[in-house]
Amino acid sequence: GAVVSQHPSWVICKSGTSVKIECRSLDFQATTMFWYRQFPKQSLMLMATSNEGSKATYEQGVEKDKFLINHASLTLSTLTVTSAHPEDSSFYICSARRGGGANVLTFGAGSRLTVL
Amino acid sequence: AQSVTQPDIHITVSEGASLELRCNYSYGATPYLFWYVQSPGQGLQLLLKYFSGDTLVQGIKGFEAEFKRSQSSFNLRKPSVHWSDAAEYFCAVGADSGTYKYIFGTGTRLKVLA
Repeated sequence: GAVVSQHPSWVICKSGTSVKIECRSLDFQATTMFWYRQFPKQSLMLMATSNEGSKATYEQGVEKDKFLINHASLTLSTLTVTSAHPEDSSFYICSARRGGGANVLTFGAGSRLTVL
Repeated sequence: AQSVTQPDIHITVSEGASLELRCNYSYGATPYLFWYVQSPGQGLQLLLKYFSGDTLVQGIKGFEAEFKRSQSSFNLRKPSVHWSDAAEYFCAVGADSGTYKYIFGTGTRLKVLA
């Protein structure tokens, strides 16, 4: 089955530093990956759509300079939270779409970011 | 605009009892509909999906859902709940088949009493 791995699963950093989160499709090529943010006891909010080899498409209200997304290969997308602040603390989840027209996404286990 | 509503924030049922989680959507065309389950601190696992065809969809872990176009609903059901079913359940609609973006409902937290 399709497996998506996220790393790290949790990270604590100091305010002002940058943090990179990786999302990998382990057994399939993902033409499209999505990044979500989830606040405690709330739903998933789509942040951006990441297409391999092109710039990410950000949702309204998401700062593209704060949340840098790179999708350099068909199996890897990265989210970098730049100059992190405590309000960036959240649970970040990625999902990947297998190519070939299947409209089913596979989700990673999420990465919990805590900014001190 | 597309939207998904899950009216129940919390639901508590006894183990062995039946379960129904409600989901209503707003979408102009025939939607792609999904139910996902999330355990604490984990990602999302797909329970079932509806694209077309038979409106009663069978999923994993004994779950099923029924698509009712006239009611714009896609309710999730299980005839007998197990303690391990306690989790957060999210309904989602595929908002745009071209981009495969999903819109999620706010979730329903299920508690199971022994």
